[in-house]
Amino acid sequence: SQKIEQNSEALNIQEGKTATLTCNYTNYSPAYLQWYRQDPGRGPVFLLLIRENEKEKRKERLKVTFDTTLKQSLFHITASQPADSATYLCALGQSGNTPLVFGKGTRLSVIA
Amino acid sequence: EAQVTQNPRYLITVTGKKLTVTCSQNMNHEYMSWYRQDPGLGLRQIYYSMNVEVTDKGDVPEGYKVSRKEKRNFPLILESPSPNQTSLYFCASRAQGMKGNTIYFGEGSWLTVV
Repeated sequence: SQKIEQNSEALNIQEGKTATLTCNYTNYSPAYLQWYRQDPGRGPVFLLLIRENEKEKRKERLKVTFDTTLKQSLFHITASQPADSATYLCALGQSGNTPLVFGKGTRLSVIA
Repeated sequence: EAQVTQNPRYLITVTGKKLTVTCSQNMNHEYMSWYRQDPGLGLRQIYYSMNVEVTDKGDVPEGYKVSRKEKRNFPLILESPSPNQTSLYFCASRAQGMKGNTIYFGEGSWLTVV
């Protein structure tokens, strides 16, 4: 069965450093991958989309890579700030009409 | 403003008492879905709908019902709630067709069944 793993439940880093979160998947051939941010008790909010034919996407301090050979996506937050503390979810999709499959998330804490 | 609105936000109910969680979106999206989120289990899809009068089971549909009579609304019905349905519920919507369309989530409904 398809499986999505996000590297760890929790990640602590110092303010100003680059946070790197990992999303690995097996038994799945996604056409695209998305990253979402979720604050406690709130709904997830879309951050970035990367498609299977793209290697890298950037948006301000965020960067995501997608390696379909390794079956892995990396999500980077550069110059991290305490306000970046949240849970980050990766989600994989195939066609436009099939449900997304979500990972369990990584809780990031940026320490001042 | 693009919005997915769900109600109630917080509810404590008793076992067996039917309840409905409403969901409405203002983006004219075809696709709507319900998720539950539990510690250590992440987001799990309950039901989804690709358009009016079209619904399908997700990963954990047992104990839930849905209906899609109008495009904007997608209520979640718990006919006979049980304590194992205590959870945080999210309604979500997105446009159909294109790969990678953004999912918009509601603010969540905290449900406790005692």
